[in-house]
Amino acid sequence: EVQLAESGGGLVQPGGSLRLSCVASGFTFEDYTFHWVRQAPGKGLEYVSGISWNGDTIGYADSVRGRFTISRDNAKSSLFLQMNSLRPEDTALYYCARDRIQWDPFNDASDMWGQGTMVTVS
Amino acid sequence: EIVLTQSPGTLSLSPGERATLSCRASQSVRSDFLAWYQQKPGQPPRLLMYGASHRATGIPDRFSGSGSGTDFSLTISSRLEPEDFAVYYCQQYGGSPYTFGQGTKLEIK
Repeated sequence: EVQLAESGGGLVQPGGSLRLSCVASGFTFEDYTFHWVRQAPGKGLEYVSGISWNGDTIGYADSVRGRFTISRDNAKSSLFLQMNSLRPEDTALYYCARDRIQWDPFNDASDMWGQGTMVTVS
Repeated sequence: EIVLTQSPGTLSLSPGERATLSCRASQSVRSDFLAWYQQKPGQPPRLLMYGASHRATGIPDRFSGSGSGTDFSLTISSRLEPEDFAVYYCQQYGGSPYTFGQGTKLEIK
């Protein structure tokens, strides 16, 4: 089955750290660009970070730059988000999303999403 | 950072009516790299449109997108189905970082 499965969320104190993971299955992980998108309770979608299929291009939202680090391990079909210096405003459901086409140069919409992992900073 | 402003915030319509949602960008979106997503409660977003006017796989033809530059719209034709009532987001992916609009809630009147 083609799917994305996030994990690693939980309750953390302000200033703490968490590492989110997203495991892909059912397709060739290394061919795709991936992103993290978050959604605070009752709020809209907020782009967090993305990494291109070859790892050459990485982008961050201003709100997380310098605190969050995105990475990928193609051998494990996994995407990661290391989150440091967490703040209460980082509380959200974090989604992993895959771009629509293979080998895209970080300019594509996302057609596959996981169910998300909840991060609570309190 | 490109700011996307969606309007209206809430749209109240009846099944069978036509819906038009707007998304305005603070600066021109490169190559019309503009997408629309639908989100229902408790579910992740679902891609509807990419490249401003291209329907994603499996999306019915009652959904259409148009626009360029800074002004974009999503239209659900005069066949609003009960399952279309949801929140809709636009997203630009032509500039880094990607950004989303704040969403339009389409609710049953």
